[in-house]
Amino acid sequence: AQKITQTQPGMFVQEKEAVTLDCTYDTSDPSYGLFWYKQPSSGEMIFLIYQGSYDQQNATEGRYSLNFQKARKSANLVISASQLGDSAMYFCAMRDTSGGYQKVTFGTGTKLQVIP
Amino acid sequence: GAVVSQHPSWVICKSGTSVKIECRSLDFQATTMFWYRQFPKQSLMLMATSNEGSKATYEQGVEKDKFLINHASLTLSTLTVTSAHPEDSSFYICSAREILALLAKNIQYFGAGTRLSVL
Repeated sequence: AQKITQTQPGMFVQEKEAVTLDCTYDTSDPSYGLFWYKQPSSGEMIFLIYQGSYDQQNATEGRYSLNFQKARKSANLVISASQLGDSAMYFCAMRDTSGGYQKVTFGTGTKLQVIP
Repeated sequence: GAVVSQHPSWVICKSGTSVKIECRSLDFQATTMFWYRQFPKQSLMLMATSNEGSKATYEQGVEKDKFLINHASLTLSTLTVTSAHPEDSSFYICSAREILALLAKNIQYFGAGTRLSVL
């Protein structure tokens, strides 16, 4: 079974609109962390936001917020007021303990394109 | 956020030669660093976990003798692709984990990546 699932290979959003990128995860580890990274065409991975499994509130970082629904095992990224510079690949990732050590697993990514 | 420097950003080499890629955490100490490989339009695949002062832990299917990892200090890990062949051409990205114990966060920051082309 996939540990991290991103079901949207590509998304379009109008500039200044909000967009939600989906992510579901699967783990039996009670302590885990969820991340979102942005990868522009240049290749670098830019950390956006983090949510711990025990965090009571949804994480927010500027225009980014994480809609964490623990019971549904989902961690969707919401980008508000989209900008042209938001066009990039977005990866959801999870850190949990597997095989005795901590490991981060990435989803397959969603390509977001912001339309002027 | 923390800064991870990766060098070189692009390397072209002849088949059979070895290539070394460096990964440095610039403003924090990283007891653990990670090496990933990414094929075009695909996700990141973890190759190995590099622990300072000990042997790296390789993922299944990754050849230890092919991809040599050294983590000699708390700020530097190196990946050496030995006897490189065209099929080793890929985008290699390192990351370092900053442990913020008080905040119970372990955040991985990434280098800018290295594009390796083997002719």
